[in-house]
Amino acid sequence: GNSVTQMEGPVTLSEEAFLTINCTYTATGYPSLFWYVQYPGEGLQLLLKATKADDKGSNKGFEATYRKETTSFHLEKGSVQVSDSAVYFCALTLGDSNYQLIWGAGTKLIIKP
Amino acid sequence: ETGVTQTPRHLVMGMTNKKSLKCEQHLGHNAMYWYKQSAKKPLELMFVYNFKEQTENNSVPSRFSPECPNSSHLFLHLHTLQPEDSALYLCASSPVGVENGELFFGEGSRLTVL
Repeated sequence: GNSVTQMEGPVTLSEEAFLTINCTYTATGYPSLFWYVQYPGEGLQLLLKATKADDKGSNKGFEATYRKETTSFHLEKGSVQVSDSAVYFCALTLGDSNYQLIWGAGTKLIIKP
Repeated sequence: ETGVTQTPRHLVMGMTNKKSLKCEQHLGHNAMYWYKQSAKKPLELMFVYNFKEQTENNSVPSRFSPECPNSSHLFLHLHTLQPEDSALYLCASSPVGVENGELFFGEGSRLTVL
């Protein structure tokens, strides 16, 4: 079946460190891929997306590249800040069901000053 | 107000109580969703309404009863819940469907069932 697997957290880094949060997927067809972020006490919000292979999504210094050959969509940021502390969710949609986003379990990121 | 608003933010109830969660969106969207968020688990889609009609019910127990009186409002009526129903309940909306993958979420209602 279709699924999304994220690295288990929490991930703890010092400020200005390089961040990678791994995300791999299993899907039939050609999914679109997303990263959502949930800041403490808030709902989820879309961070970035990529709709086809080799696309790179970017926003707020975060990037992720849609790698079809490795079925991955890893989230990266070159220099994290304390304000990046949040839970990050990887998700996909296949477009065959308009109402289903398939979610990963989320990865909690803690950035220490 | 803008965006998606959920009330109450926190709710504690006994197993025999009846309560309701409310969601309101001010974005002019036509699809609304209820999700359950439990720690270290993927978000669980519960219900979807599109143009006020329920289009998805992901085998949710009948102790959860949704209501969508119009495209801007969504309720989740709760009765005879179990302790394992304790979770964060998130409401979301989108223009129509999730073709572009963007859902707009509220801040959630944290439910504790004693």
